[in-house]
Amino acid sequence: GAVVSQHPSRVICKSGTSVKIECRSLDFQATTMFWYRQFPKKSLMLMATSNEGSKATYEQGVEKDKFLINHASLTLSTLTVTSAHPEDSSFYICSAPGGGQAKNIQYFGAGTRLSVL
Amino acid sequence: QKEVEQNSGPLSVPEGAIASLNCTYSDRGSQSFFWYRQYSGKSPELIMFIYSNGDKEDGRFTAQLNKASQYVSLLIRDSQPSDSATYLCAVRPTFRSSASKIIFGSGTRLSIRP
Repeated sequence: GAVVSQHPSRVICKSGTSVKIECRSLDFQATTMFWYRQFPKKSLMLMATSNEGSKATYEQGVEKDKFLINHASLTLSTLTVTSAHPEDSSFYICSAPGGGQAKNIQYFGAGTRLSVL
Repeated sequence: QKEVEQNSGPLSVPEGAIASLNCTYSDRGSQSFFWYRQYSGKSPELIMFIYSNGDKEDGRFTAQLNKASQYVSLLIRDSQPSDSATYLCAVRPTFRSSASKIIFGSGTRLSIRP
């Protein structure tokens, strides 16, 4: 299947700092990528849809100024958690639809565990 | 009503038995259905997808789809301890665009007891 690379896998930062997470499609182009957040023992929550060359679409209740998304190329989307606070500590996961015949299938990155002290 | 519903479990199944995981969805126009497995602390990985009514088999896994009942299930035969994980049912409403969101259920936690 298609490979989606996400890094870093783990981030520990101080409250008030910003953290950038990268999501890359390695062997296919992705005009759209999705960003999810998952708290311990909870379900995946879609945060936003990242669109190459245009603004991201945010889900209700997700602050676009806090979670900045940039999708500047067909293989890279970034999520920046600005002025992170302890309540932002979570598991962040990106996904992308595979290319070609796999375009209907979502492939996930390995996830980024963010811990804000 | 949630768009995709699953029993949260935990579902406990003895090793070697068949594990049956169920999912219902509310959008009758949904076209694509997926089962993902998620181990604790890891991201989801695709197990199976199904688009047409009926059964689809892949090794020990069988996905079953009944669009009239808006019901999709996953059967795991000869359950192994390594199958212990959370299983996420996901539904994609339309074929028309690859940008369509996938709606996830909250997942069923499966535990295979030796």
